[in-house]
Formats: sequence, C-alpha cells, structure tokens
Amino acid sequence: NAGVTQTPKFRILKIGQSMTLQCTQDMNHNYMYWYRQDPGMGLKLIYYSVGAGITDKGEVPNGYNVSRSTTEDFPLRLELAAPSQTSVYFCASTLYQTGPYGYTFGSGTRLTVV
Amino acid sequence: AQKITQTQPGMFVQEKEAVTLDCTYDTSDQSYGLFWYKQPSSGEMIFLIYQGSYDEQNATEGRYSLNFQKARKSANLVISASQLGDSAMYFCAMREVTNTGNQFYFGTGTSLTVIP
Repeated sequence: NAGVTQTPKFRILKIGQSMTLQCTQDMNHNYMYWYRQDPGMGLKLIYYSVGAGITDKGEVPNGYNVSRSTTEDFPLRLELAAPSQTSVYFCASTLYQTGPYGYTFGSGTRLTVV
Repeated sequence: AQKITQTQPGMFVQEKEAVTLDCTYDTSDQSYGLFWYKQPSSGEMIFLIYQGSYDEQNATEGRYSLNFQKARKSANLVISASQLGDSAMYFCAMREVTNTGNQFYFGTGTSLTVIP
C-alpha cells in the first residue's frame, strides 16, 4: 500500500532551470493537492485538482504549472526556477472533501534553487 | 487576518505528562472542519484528529483529544501521557468551503519536545 509517492526526495536546481516534481497515488482519490512549506512556516496551497482533467490555482500558484491527465498522477512543473522557490514541496490526496477525511501526504521533495 | 493561529512556536513537556497545543481559527462559515497533523523530523505529515464544526462532542483518538470551543474559535490539541516519540512539529488546519471548492489552511506549527 504505497499511498502518495513523491519523487525526487531532494533536488538542487540552478536559477532559470526547469523541473517536474512527480506525485502518484494508488488510493483512487479524486482530490489532489500541491503545497509548499517554507522554513518555520505552515503549508501554502499551490495548485489542486478535483479529478482528472480539472485543476485550479491555490494561494501561491505563480511560477508553477500542473496537469492531471489521470486519477493517479498530479505532476508539478517549475519553469524558470528562482531562489524564492526553495522550499519543501508536499503532494497530498483525499477521498472526500467533507467529513473526517484528512489528507494523505507524500514524504515531500526538498528543493534548493541556487 | 490569519485563518489559523498557533501562538506557541515551541513547547516542552515531561514524559508521561499531558500537554495542550493551542490553535485558534478565523472563519465566518457555519460548516468547516478542523484538523491536527504531526510532522516528525523525518518530514512526513501524519493526520491525527478531526473535529467537525457541528460536532457537539470533542473528538478523541487514543491519546489525542481536541478541545473544541466554538464560541472562542479555538481547537486545542491535548496529548495525554506524552511519549518520547511525540516530539515533532504539530500543525493545526482548517478546511473551509469556498465558492471554488474546499480550501485548507495551515497554521505555522508548534514544535513539541518531550523530555525524558
């Protein structure tokens, strides 16, 4: 039972480079989310998806793009990386958006932009 | 205004003692959900406990209980009989219904250290 799998776990990027953070879940959850966690801070929502083919912006979407071609996969694309994007990125999913259903989180991707 | 406020950046508790982690929230919605998550040093986020805004009884999950005071808009986490493995960051979160769907808001966290 893998849950939510994120790759890579660590990455160093140079300013201006691009990369894709991968997120896969095997729980058949419709709802998926990308968050970033800056040092000493809580999580901020970047993008979310309520199902395959449907995505929407969260609180801090600038500099990022997402796609959701399947229920399982929700990759996050960083274009033209900037030092301000240095953060820990979490992917999460949930079966329902109501009731006592918390998110299942991936283990995170620690990204450093230099 | 902050949606979720956690005013204790760091807390210490003696092993086997109880500890309360504070959380206040801000919403004008009638229907919302409150959550607590644990983040150990390994980095993963672990769901601990949930309280719905219409739930009249405080939620409990094993050694975790949520002290829900709706009028005060507070949702404090109580950990009873602290264990060394409880040392971690703890995040309070609120799920709010918006016109574009549900939104989750997280606090800045409280770092709990359990002292042997």
